[in-house]
Amino acid sequence: GEDVEQSLFLSVREGDSSVINCTYTDSSSTYLYWYKQEPGAGLQLLTYIFSNMDMKQDQRLTVLLNKKDKHLSLRIADTQTGDSAIYFCAEKDSGYSTLTFGKGTMLLVSP
Amino acid sequence: ETGVTQSPTHLIKTRGQQVTLRCSSQSGHNTVSWYQQALGQGPQFIFQYYREEENGRGNFPPRFSGLQFPNYSSELNVNALELDDSALYLCASSGTSGRPNEQFFGPGTRLTVL
Repeated sequence: GEDVEQSLFLSVREGDSSVINCTYTDSSSTYLYWYKQEPGAGLQLLTYIFSNMDMKQDQRLTVLLNKKDKHLSLRIADTQTGDSAIYFCAEKDSGYSTLTFGKGTMLLVSP
Repeated sequence: ETGVTQSPTHLIKTRGQQVTLRCSSQSGHNTVSWYQQALGQGPQFIFQYYREEENGRGNFPPRFSGLQFPNYSSELNVNALELDDSALYLCASSGTSGRPNEQFFGPGTRLTVL
């Protein structure tokens, strides 16, 4: 079955880079996503990557995809305290346009 | 362009009751998906509606049902509520034109079952 795994917690200092990792099992994944969830809020789409790409950059965000190892990472450059949140990795399969999520990585940014 | 909205924001029910949650999709979007997010977990797919028809369902019992209306807004109904139904219910909309691979989420409805 489909499974998405993430590390549960990451702590960094303001100004450092953060790297959040994710592994997935579904080889038919077409798109892979990163969402951000702040306390008490819904999910905010940060970025996504098509499965035939290796990298995508969007301002402070860099997504790296290793399709062979089914490994996805999100790098946040110059991390700010406002980046503190839970980050979810998700995959979309080739069938329905539904998403399978990991359990989320809590990012804590300290001043 | 209006975003995805959901109502109510919070709801408290007791076991055995029924609940209806509502979602208005982002303008121009014809697909609505519902997810359940238990505390400390990632969202779990419940079902999806496309042009008023159910277009896929996750591993949820039949007491979870839904509707989509001609204006693409949607309802999630849950009958015979159980304590484990306590969760944040998220609605997401997406469209077939423009950026079809993007799903945008609403703020969610927090359901508490006592």
